[in-house]
Amino acid sequence: NAGVTQTPKFRVLKTGQSMTLLCAQDMNHEYMYWYRQDPGMGLRLIHYSVGEGTTAKGEVPDGYNVSRLKKQNFLLGLESAAPSQTSVYFCASSYSTGGFAYGYTFGSGTRLTVV
Amino acid sequence: GQSLEQPSEVTAVEGAIVQINCTYQTSGFYGLSWYQQHDGGAPTFLSYNALDGLEETGRFSSFLSRSDSYGYLLLQELQMKDSASYFCAVSDNYGQNFVFGPGTRLSVLP
Repeated sequence: NAGVTQTPKFRVLKTGQSMTLLCAQDMNHEYMYWYRQDPGMGLRLIHYSVGEGTTAKGEVPDGYNVSRLKKQNFLLGLESAAPSQTSVYFCASSYSTGGFAYGYTFGSGTRLTVV
Repeated sequence: GQSLEQPSEVTAVEGAIVQINCTYQTSGFYGLSWYQQHDGGAPTFLSYNALDGLEETGRFSSFLSRSDSYGYLLLQELQMKDSASYFCAVSDNYGQNFVFGPGTRLSVLP
């Protein structure tokens, strides 16, 4: 099993450019998440999804959009990149028990630099 | 509001036992998880506590006291490979997602 796969692994963008980060999981998990991690800090939730066709905002959603058209995929879009979005982005998925997330499986991360 | 507190750094020697504490203040509570992250790597899941008490998984144990809004991760028989950052995470929002603490950097010395 591949687990959670993120593409690309590295990317450099110019301010104002757009891009989409792709996340795919093969564990049949209902819940999927996008977090960002800045140097020396914890992870902050951007958006999440509790099922196909559903999305919700997390702690830091501004400047990002997401889509979950298929259960196994969760896409994160940056419409107009800003230097403040330079970060490492982690996708995660979780199975749920009684509607509760249990524990996350993370992808390997996307290191994004906006210049 | 939501807040989680952990010590920023902990240092211990190989073979020792170390405890990493986590206190939290959240609007709801459905569980406490711990994750390990090596430099440049992704976080990996270590443990999950939904009820009070101690959960043991090999050299690692995790404890939860919901009445005290407190938990800890206990690492025994420390090895050099345990040098990493450790994050506690609390599940709120009806248990749908986790809020992460700032992380504790553990350095294991020979």
